Amino acid sequence: GAGVSQSPSNKVTEKGKDVELRCDPISGHTALYWYRQSLGQGLEFLIYFQGNSAPDKSGLPSDRFSAERTGGSVSTLTIQRTQQEDSAVYLCASSPSPGTSGGEQYFGPGTRLTVT
Amino acid sequence: GENVEQHPSTLSVQEGDSAVIKCTYSDSASNYFPWYKQELGKRPQLIIDIRSNVGEKKDQRIAVTLNKTAKHFSLHITETQPEDSAVYFCAARGFQKLVFGTGTRLLVSP
Repeated sequence: GAGVSQSPSNKVTEKGKDVELRCDPISGHTALYWYRQSLGQGLEFLIYFQGNSAPDKSGLPSDRFSAERTGGSVSTLTIQRTQQEDSAVYLCASSPSPGTSGGEQYFGPGTRLTVT
Repeated sequence: GENVEQHPSTLSVQEGDSAVIKCTYSDSASNYFPWYKQELGKRPQLIIDIRSNVGEKKDQRIAVTLNKTAKHFSLHITETQPEDSAVYFCAARGFQKLVFGTGTRLLVSP
């Protein structure tokens, strides 16, 4: 079946502009994560959605970052007033509900954001 | 919340040698421990996972061991090959979000 998809695959924007990144999780997956990965670095957790629960926003680096998940499916990560240090690959991942027999987390291909 | 530590940060081995990457976790309620491999320019891919009801799992040249008492788990790669070169991430999860380690860059030299 279809995996996790993200769009756009690449985004170049000017400093100060707002950007929106989209994630389509695997159908039926209740958990959705956003991560940021700078070149050669690890996975920086940003935000976690689980079903209808309030999202875990503890990883968002500033109030310029926000995310929503509509209808428990598609998610959008918004970065306002982009800065050069926001340049990175933004990865989305989804998984079944924690505690289910499966539980594997699958990553999308990422969006490479470049702020000039 | 959960905290996962991973060592070493880099590991260089000769082709054919074994490689071991170790992780510790803090939340005793964690019961699912996956390992991901990320090749350069690609997304992380699940390579093996283990749940808390078993102590070891093998898949060809890779194996994972889990010690719940000590709260640590390890990835073992035998007969390493150049294509094993990548960054490896461990992770742990209970009934909350999956938490990743900081990654190990493995370099296998021919």
